[in-house]
Amino acid sequence: DVKVTQSSRYLVKRTGEKVFLECVQDMDHENMFWYRQDPGLGLRLIYFSYDVKMKEKGDIPEGYSVSREKKERFSLILESASTNQTSMYLCASSLLGSYPGQGTQYFGPGTRLLVL
Amino acid sequence: AQKITQTQPGMFVQEKEAVTLDCTYDTSDQSYGLFWYKQPSSGEMIFLIYQGSYDEQNATEGRYSLNFQKARKSANLVISASQLGDSAMYFCAMRDHKGGAQKLVFGQGTRLTINP
Repeated sequence: DVKVTQSSRYLVKRTGEKVFLECVQDMDHENMFWYRQDPGLGLRLIYFSYDVKMKEKGDIPEGYSVSREKKERFSLILESASTNQTSMYLCASSLLGSYPGQGTQYFGPGTRLLVL
Repeated sequence: AQKITQTQPGMFVQEKEAVTLDCTYDTSDQSYGLFWYKQPSSGEMIFLIYQGSYDEQNATEGRYSLNFQKARKSANLVISASQLGDSAMYFCAMRDHKGGAQKLVFGQGTRLTINP
């Protein structure tokens, strides 16, 4: 079974702090993704990566950065946390392949971040 | 651009009844993939079922089936013999071929409540 883990289920931080959210997958997937989920807004893609040291902006990259130094690990960084970044953060991974079914994304348990 | 529409914000169903969750999509691609995910209150997104645009038969996975009507651009999820544990948010998603990785575009979700 695919397993995607996230470093914290719940996190409380102060405005202005630098925040690291870690995601690790154990299925040798090439693609990794970071989403945030807010009530009424659904899932919005922040950043994604299709290879080590490669990254692409998603729909809402402002205020975030990412790092992928190893294939299995994808980190989301909030350089200076703000209250409007209070949200649920979900990490996902998928195989890189031409067959559409290989685009199936497998998610971690999510991190609920509260910025005070 | 791809778009997913889920028109039912919430649904209430009696236990053991079948339930259909609606999903319509918009794409100009000929080859695409459609996915359904379940999100219980714990927050984790669980992959349920996948349908490829060239698949001639509707996908089935246990109690889940996907009613795929290509001409109508609909991909409704059918849950047979509903159970209390089926209470959750359900998201329809489509694979987006643009960009470096196979991103998913999600609908807004439907909250399903199963009543005993």
